[in-house]
Amino acid sequence: GQQVMQIPQYQHVQEGEDFTTYCNSSTTLSNIQWYKQRPGGHPVFLIQLVKSGEVKKQKRLTFQFGEAKKNSSLHITATQTTDVGTYFCAGPYSSGSARQLTFGSGTQLTVLP
Amino acid sequence: DGGITQSPKYLFRKEGQNVTLSCEQNLNHDAMYWYRQDPGQGLRLIYYSQIVNDFQKGDIAEGYSVSREKKESFPLTVTSAQKNPTAFYLCASSNKRGPTDTQYFGPGTRLTVL
Repeated sequence: GQQVMQIPQYQHVQEGEDFTTYCNSSTTLSNIQWYKQRPGGHPVFLIQLVKSGEVKKQKRLTFQFGEAKKNSSLHITATQTTDVGTYFCAGPYSSGSARQLTFGSGTQLTVLP
Repeated sequence: DGGITQSPKYLFRKEGQNVTLSCEQNLNHDAMYWYRQDPGQGLRLIYYSQIVNDFQKGDIAEGYSVSREKKESFPLTVTSAQKNPTAFYLCASSNKRGPTDTQYFGPGTRLTVL
């Protein structure tokens, strides 16, 4: 089946430093999604990338989708304490008529003040 | 939030007891999902349903059961056959007819089996 791998598993940064998490799929994806889960909370959808080589920005967050549509990255510039949480990538997977998402294992970001 | 509710937020049960976790959505979404999350881990799919009265096993269905009698509701039963049931359980829904598979999550239920 489809596998989605994320690195690193954990990342500690000083506030103001940059942060990047990487996501790799074993299969070509029609799209890739990113979610954020705050400590003690639930995953919240951040963004979806669809096109090969696509780059999208949300304030200090930059998302990229690889040319081969098998990898993606999330980069945060000048981290803040509000960025703390676990970031998951997810790719859609179809089995017959059923559609589901395969989630990466997540990168847990800690921002030290 | 986002129109998905899960109850209760915290649940304690004795070993050997079955327990049912509630999930309700008012987003008019066709598809609903149950995930299990262990500390420091990602999301593992337990069961999913694309339409009323139909559901499929996910990656870790053993020891769990579900029903989908109404579009709005997708309860999950953790049976005594589940060997390690203590975990954080997340319910999600998505609009199968939409152009994306974006999932909207409920607040989750933390189950502790004593």
